Amino acid sequence: QVQLQESGPGLVKPSQTLSLTCTVSGGSISSGGYYWSWIRQHPGKGLEWIGYIYNSRSTYYNPSLKSRLIISADTSKNQFSLNLSSVTAADTAVYYCARAIRGELDPWGQGALVTVSS
Amino acid sequence: EIVLTQSPGTLSLSPGERATLSCRGSQSVSSSYLGWYQQKPGQAPRLLIYGASTRAAGVPDRFSGSGSGTDFTLTISRLEPEDFAVYYCQQYGTSLWTFGQGTKVEIK
Repeated sequence: QVQLQESGPGLVKPSQTLSLTCTVSGGSISSGGYYWSWIRQHPGKGLEWIGYIYNSRSTYYNPSLKSRLIISADTSKNQFSLNLSSVTAADTAVYYCARAIRGELDPWGQGALVTVSS
Repeated sequence: EIVLTQSPGTLSLSPGERATLSCRGSQSVSSSYLGWYQQKPGQAPRLLIYGASTRAAGVPDRFSGSGSGTDFTLTISRLEPEDFAVYYCQQYGTSLWTFGQGTKVEIK
């Protein structure tokens, strides 16, 4: 059974880069056919899809974040990562990683709260 | 970008009642690439339905999805206490995946 777990700093200063890693267990991110995805949820709000990586190299990003976003994968560690630069308070959110097949997201990690504050 | 609008915003019902949640797209959702998720406080969302009408593994059969084009429905036939939560629809028929704003199902 595939499980995902987010990790990274819970506090990031404005203008810095938010970096999170998703560690996958019970399956390989190198296996084809899956979109390894990031989603975020602002406090008390709905869900926002951030982007995904597939085939360990190809990426697609939400256009609203594209200029600040890099998603990458480390197949040797079975991890994929999110880097969001030039953060502001508007980037404060719970960040989730998830696996998608056609686009339906399942399973999800438990989520990581990242607060942007000085 | 396909905008998904969910209604109602809040649904107040009693256990045992039937819940009907709506999700409407600003454009047709390709190949019924529409999913439904349940989220409880402090938890990650859980996939309930994909392909508009296929239940995910382990999802009770009181949950059902229907619809096509721009109009989709999630029905909970008889609400159990554990079903009171927020429900989101998501479309993945275009490169830019989008979510609806959510419907909260609360105990009346």
